Amino acid sequence: QITLKESGPTLVKPTQTLTLTCTFSGFSLSTSGVGVGWIRQPPGKALEWLALIYWDDDKRYSPSLKSRLTITKDTSKNQVVLTMTNMDPVDTATYYCAHSSLGILFDYWGQGTLVTVSS
Amino acid sequence: QSVLTQPPSVSAAPGQKVTISCSGSSSNIGNNYVSWYQQLPGTAPKLLIYENNKRPSGIPDRFSGSKSGTSATLGITGLQTGDEADYYCGTWDSSLSANWVFGGGTKLTVL
Repeated sequence: QITLKESGPTLVKPTQTLTLTCTFSGFSLSTSGVGVGWIRQPPGKALEWLALIYWDDDKRYSPSLKSRLTITKDTSKNQVVLTMTNMDPVDTATYYCAHSSLGILFDYWGQGTLVTVSS
Repeated sequence: QSVLTQPPSVSAAPGQKVTISCSGSSSNIGNNYVSWYQQLPGTAPKLLIYENNKRPSGIPDRFSGSKSGTSATLGITGLQTGDEADYYCGTWDSSLSANWVFGGGTKLTVL
């Protein structure tokens, strides 16, 4: 059974750096073809893909946010960490992590964590 | 403005059929697999269709997917009130900076 869960601060101030952790079980991020992605959703708006890390440490980023994002993995801890610098109120959103197979789908999703950016 | 274009909303009566379109280009839908996601109110998205037309285990055959050229379509038959949700298409965009893209989402109302 594959599960993922996001954790991190619920409130960050503008200009601060956000660090989110995705802790998963039921699969290994050292297995060929496996990836973990981050997707966010501002309140009442559409899904927006942020980043994806593969089993071989290949990393992909949203072109519009690439300069602010870093995704890393800790295979031994079954965790993927996303950092986003220079947070702004427009970054207020629910952030999801999701399991990906070969990068062609997101088949298991975490419950999401709401991050509010406000002073 | 999403790279993939979906209608903002669709509606139909219980028991009827509805289709949701997702329009893209040769750099995304035209050359990559499309997947569809259902997001019920207040919940995380759920995979409905992958590789254009395949259903994960547990997804009823009322849900179907197809792709033609640079467009994809999600079909839902025998509509139920429990199908009221937002639906998103997604795929890779193989442009200069390869990245995943989602459609803008479609709100399905079952009247």
